[in-house]
Amino acid sequence: ETGVTQTPRHLVMGMTNKKSLKCEQHLGHNAMYWYKQSAKKPLELMFVYNFKEQTENNSVPSRFSPECPNSSHLFLHLHTLQPEDSALYLCASSQDTGYEQFFGPGTRLTVL
Amino acid sequence: DQQVKQNSPSLSVQEGRISILNCDYTNSMFDYFLWYKKYPAEGPTFLISISSIKDKNEDGRFTVFLNKSAKHLSLHIVPSQPGDSAVYFCAASVETSYDKVIFGPGTSLSVIP
Repeated sequence: ETGVTQTPRHLVMGMTNKKSLKCEQHLGHNAMYWYKQSAKKPLELMFVYNFKEQTENNSVPSRFSPECPNSSHLFLHLHTLQPEDSALYLCASSQDTGYEQFFGPGTRLTVL
Repeated sequence: DQQVKQNSPSLSVQEGRISILNCDYTNSMFDYFLWYKKYPAEGPTFLISISSIKDKNEDGRFTVFLNKSAKHLSLHIVPSQPGDSAVYFCAASVETSYDKVIFGPGTSLSVIP
């Protein structure tokens, strides 16, 4: 596989469920990002990891918990989400934080 | 308050004609600007960028113009092709904080054959 992949592509969960989104990049990049795209809103940066260290947490509620075990993998753990958290969650990577970002296809999340 | 604005949610253009997508920003600290293109069910794809030291950058059919005094940039696509139909996001960042890219809401371009 090449580029940035995300699994699952679609996820429906209840408010009491625990689930995880996975992102993997095959580009040899060192920086990885989570973005949220809600309907009719701009892309919102959630988290930034550079060389596995979290460098940015954009005031994201604690029900979203990121994990970056290595430079190629990024997870977003979800717990007790709200219906308003339903959105497209996009992962991206870049060579370093000073370079253009490559995006994955996204996970379409629906919280019931 | 949105720091990056794309006031046209949608745009329709005839094939072969020029498409002009506009973007305005409010933060005068922004010094690096990008355009991303997004097809349905795919993530955004980087298209073209421009640094504030330039006022124009060209790559094939795509040209980005930057007017710093007006805090305005535009993406020109000429000639437009049906495959250009997508959502176009304008984005901006401060050079020292490339990881904090701020995206506009996007403009949906339809190129009619």
